[in-house]
Amino acid sequence: AQSVTQLDSQVPVFEEAPVELRCNYSSSVSVYLFWYVQYPNQGLQLLLKYLSGSTLVKGINGFEAEFNKSQTSFHLRKPSVHISDTAEYFCAVIAGGTSYGKLTFGQGTILTVHP
Amino acid sequence: GAVVSQHPSRVICKSGTSVKIECRSLDFQATTMFWYRQFPKQSLMLMATSNEGSKATYEQGVEKDKFLINHASLTLSTLTVTSAHPEDSSFYICSAPTPSGGGIEQFFGPGTRLTVL
Repeated sequence: AQSVTQLDSQVPVFEEAPVELRCNYSSSVSVYLFWYVQYPNQGLQLLLKYLSGSTLVKGINGFEAEFNKSQTSFHLRKPSVHISDTAEYFCAVIAGGTSYGKLTFGQGTILTVHP
Repeated sequence: GAVVSQHPSRVICKSGTSVKIECRSLDFQATTMFWYRQFPKQSLMLMATSNEGSKATYEQGVEKDKFLINHASLTLSTLTVTSAHPEDSSFYICSAPTPSGGGIEQFFGPGTRLTVL
């Protein structure tokens, strides 16, 4: 079975500052990695994904993440945040085998951007 | 582009009643859909996998007799919460694999907020 740990439940940051949201995973098989954003009372929107290839992936809204296999991490970064980035962010994995297609989510990180 | 819709977006019901939530893929067919539950301030937990033409597959700890899933067509899956109780109050979200995603990428519905009084 796989698991995902988001190390920070809440991250406050000032507008235009950089931010990093941390995510670590564990799995006995290869995984695909995702970051989703959720605004209040809404579904999930895909920010970016790592399937294969380059370990640095770029997503929407200026976000990027780096897959580090040795550290089993997939941290999300943005060099300069905006007020509109305030939301909850979920790291998720899909593993192969019998778990194929099923997402396992981390606990979520609430990003609050202050003016 | 492809979209997944859910209906209703919000529902309030009395304890003991049943509630049906629909999940539709609007521009594509989905032989598989997933149902997730999200309690306040918690993450999403997979409840079950809905399979068109066969029985749903439930995750450990999810009562299949309480959460009835019917994948009626290639674009519609329904989740019925039977004899709902206040502890069933939650945010229910469905998802469907994207047509070109090889079963890896998914589109999510906007969610249904269920409140049981």
